[in-house]
Amino acid sequence: GAGVSQSPSNKVTEKGKDVELRCDPISGHTALYWYRQSLGQGLEFLIYFQGNSAPDKSGLPSDRFSAERTGGSVSTLTIQRTQQEDSAVYLCASSIPALAGDTGELFFGEGSRLTVL
Amino acid sequence: AQKVTQAQTEISVVEKEDVTLDCVYETRDTTYYLFWYKQPPSGELVFLIRRNSFDEQNEISGRYSWNFQKSTSSFNFTITASQVVDSAVYFCALTEMNTGFQKLVFGTGTRLLVSP
Repeated sequence: GAGVSQSPSNKVTEKGKDVELRCDPISGHTALYWYRQSLGQGLEFLIYFQGNSAPDKSGLPSDRFSAERTGGSVSTLTIQRTQQEDSAVYLCASSIPALAGDTGELFFGEGSRLTVL
Repeated sequence: AQKVTQAQTEISVVEKEDVTLDCVYETRDTTYYLFWYKQPPSGELVFLIRRNSFDEQNEISGRYSWNFQKSTSSFNFTITASQVVDSAVYFCALTEMNTGFQKLVFGTGTRLLVSP
């Protein structure tokens, strides 16, 4: 597709279960980002990928959260032993890294809404 | 640490009114980028503008205009003659210029409701 694709769009799970969220970035975009949007909060940075490597994982809230990216394309965000406070919308974005003259635009997907009961 | 404050949680206006969305930021960096994104009900954020800290010129794009004032650390966004389609949540964001990637720090957003 032309845009960033995320799946599932909605996920309801029970506390303690593991979940996987998928992001398919725009073709050719080497940079990929995960953000979390909680109710009433702004967007919180989670992790950044350049190619397959993750030079910045500083935003991951705990060791229950992990992410990987394979082939410089699709990324998966995994949350183990989910807790109710993990309920949020998880947004993925991709971009061409900022270059001189680049708009620096991030292209966002529509997000995966996670509800932990 | 970087911080972005959008004090207006929600604004309601009637179509054709002008509306200004406030954004105040904090950073110790001397070089940085400021952004505005729009989040319509569908959920995806749409890029509106990026401004670097060296450029304090105001910008106008159609009905949208932005006022960047370094002296007050503000980057306000004005919609002229608002339309129903402008209803969305608007986010202001900040990032360092020299990290090589867009680690954006977002405000909590302002929900704009434009009624007919």
